Amino acid sequence: GAVVSQHPSRVICKSGTSVKIECRSLDFQATTMFWYRQFPKQSLMLMATSNEGSKATYEQGVEKDKFLINHASLTLSTLTVTSAHPEDSSFYICSGRSAYEQFFGPGTRLTVL
Amino acid sequence: EDKVVQSPLSLVVHEGDTVTLNCSYEVTNFRSLLWYKQEKKAPTFLFMLTSSGIEKKSGRLSSILDKKELSSILNITATQTGDSAIYLCAVLSGGSNYKLTFGKGTLLTVNP
Repeated sequence: GAVVSQHPSRVICKSGTSVKIECRSLDFQATTMFWYRQFPKQSLMLMATSNEGSKATYEQGVEKDKFLINHASLTLSTLTVTSAHPEDSSFYICSGRSAYEQFFGPGTRLTVL
Repeated sequence: EDKVVQSPLSLVVHEGDTVTLNCSYEVTNFRSLLWYKQEKKAPTFLFMLTSSGIEKKSGRLSSILDKKELSSILNITATQTGDSAIYLCAVLSGGSNYKLTFGKGTLLTVNP
């Protein structure tokens, strides 16, 4: 199956700092990438959908100024958590779309102290 | 609002048992239903179901979709401790900008 990578896999930062997470589709072109967040013992919640070269579409309740998404190329999307706070601590997963399948990255564990 | 409901939320069985996990959905413009297995990291893909009544099988796992009942089941026979995981059901819906809506998952624990 297609491969999606995420970097970093784990990040610990201080409150108030910004963190950038990269998502790359390694062997296919992802015209659409999805960003999910998963809190402990909960399901994946879609945060936003990004199409290459255009602005991301955010789900209700997700602050677009706090979670900046850039999808500059068909193989790279980035999520920047700006001015992170402890409540932003979560597991962030990206997913790239290929035809009608979605392939998930391995996830990034963010801990904000 | 699209909704995906899974049951049970958790299940504890012994090795060798057979389990059936359920998923029901209410979405606009259904495209397909997907099952994923999630252990410690991101979900791994199991099945994608688009047509009703056609069973998909992979080893001890099988799944079938019932579009009339808006539901799907995932069966695991002869369970092993390695099957312990969260099983997520997700529904692909929408037009050109489709999205995937996840259920809350079923936590399966297989004891030796």
